[in-house]
This record gives sequence, structure tokens and C-alpha cells, in this order.
Amino acid sequence: AQSVTQPDIHITVSEGASLELRCNYSYGATPYLFWYVQSPGQGLQLLLKYFSGDTLVQGIKGFEAEFKRSQSSFNLRKPSVHWSDAAEYFCAVAPNAGGTSYGKLTFGQGTILTVHP
Amino acid sequence: ETGVTQTPRHLVMGMTNKKSLKCEQHLGHNAMYWYKQSAKKPLELMFVYNFKEQTENNSVPSRFSPECPNSSHLFLHLHTLQPEDSALYLCASSQETRFNEQFFGPGTRLTVL
Repeated sequence: AQSVTQPDIHITVSEGASLELRCNYSYGATPYLFWYVQSPGQGLQLLLKYFSGDTLVQGIKGFEAEFKRSQSSFNLRKPSVHWSDAAEYFCAVAPNAGGTSYGKLTFGQGTILTVHP
Repeated sequence: ETGVTQTPRHLVMGMTNKKSLKCEQHLGHNAMYWYKQSAKKPLELMFVYNFKEQTENNSVPSRFSPECPNSSHLFLHLHTLQPEDSALYLCASSQETRFNEQFFGPGTRLTVL
């Protein structure tokens, strides 16, 4: 079964500092990979996704993520954090196989980001 | 309305009540999902519908009963819930289940007394 680990439950950074949120997954093959963001009282918004091809993917709001097959990781980065980035971030994986695996997103526990002025 | 909408946004119910959560997507998608988000736990997939057919029931107790009358609407009927069922219930949709990019609604915050 696939699983996702986000080792950091809570991260605090200063506004303007760089950010890296970690995500490791366990899956038998290369899965589809996603990062979502959730602001308080809101649903999840897709930041970026990796299906295949270039291992460095660009997303919305200035975020990027790099897929590293050898490390089973898909870390999210942003060079300069804004106060509005404070939210909870979720990494998710989905199988790239078919059949009954379709539609099954597995989420990590989430990382809460606090941004200090 | 755009995207995925959910009503009500907040719901408080007793353990003997019957209530329903509603989800509507305005994206022309054919797959819809129910998730449960509890404090300190990862999002849990509950049900998946693809072209109105249920394709996944992730061992959800029978006190939760989904209904998908068409590709745009999804309901979650609730009865005789337990306090541990208190959570944020999120609805999502995607083009089809083959396309894993899911779009989420804002959720219904459910409190069971």
C-alpha cells in the first residue's frame, strides 16, 4: 500500500526567507505526486503536480517541487515566503496504475506553516 | 457558482438525528469523492463515484450513506452518528478517476453531540 510521510508537523519561517517542506512516499513504482495547500476554514487548493517528465515542477504562487526517485521524495520549495503563505500544506500520492487504483489519493499528515513578519 | 460547493458549511447534530451533506460541482467533471478530515489525522478517502457509479467504499461505517444522482451532485446521508464522527467533510471532483487532479470544496464542519 502507498503511504506518504511529511516529517515536519509545524514549520516557522520569517517573511522573505526561503522554505522547503519535506515529503517522502512509499510506493512500488513512480506515483503521481501532488502538493495541496489549505487555508483555515477552506478546502484544499492544488499547488502543483508531477506526472512524468521534468523532475522540477513549477506551481502556482511561486512554489516549485522536485521529484527525486532515488530518495522517494517530492519536496516543496519557495525562495521567498510571503505572510499570505501561512497555511497547512499536504503532500499526496496517487497510483499511476489503472483499475481499482484509480481515484485513490493518499495524503500525508500535513505541515503547518507559520510566517513571522 | 464556480468550482465545488458544499452545504451546509457547518452542522451540529445529535446522535439520533438524520442529516445530509450536499456537494455540487460546476466543472463538468464525472468523478466525485468524499473525504473525512479529522484533527491530527491525514485526510481519509471515504467514497469514490465515477460516472455516478460507486467505485470505492473505504470501509466506511453504514451510518454514512452516499448518494450520487448525477455527475454534478453528491450527497452524504448521516444517521445515528457518534461523537468521533465530528470532523471536516470534504468533497472533491475530477474529470474522471483516471485523472487524479482533484478539486476540493470548502468542506462541511460537522459536530456530533
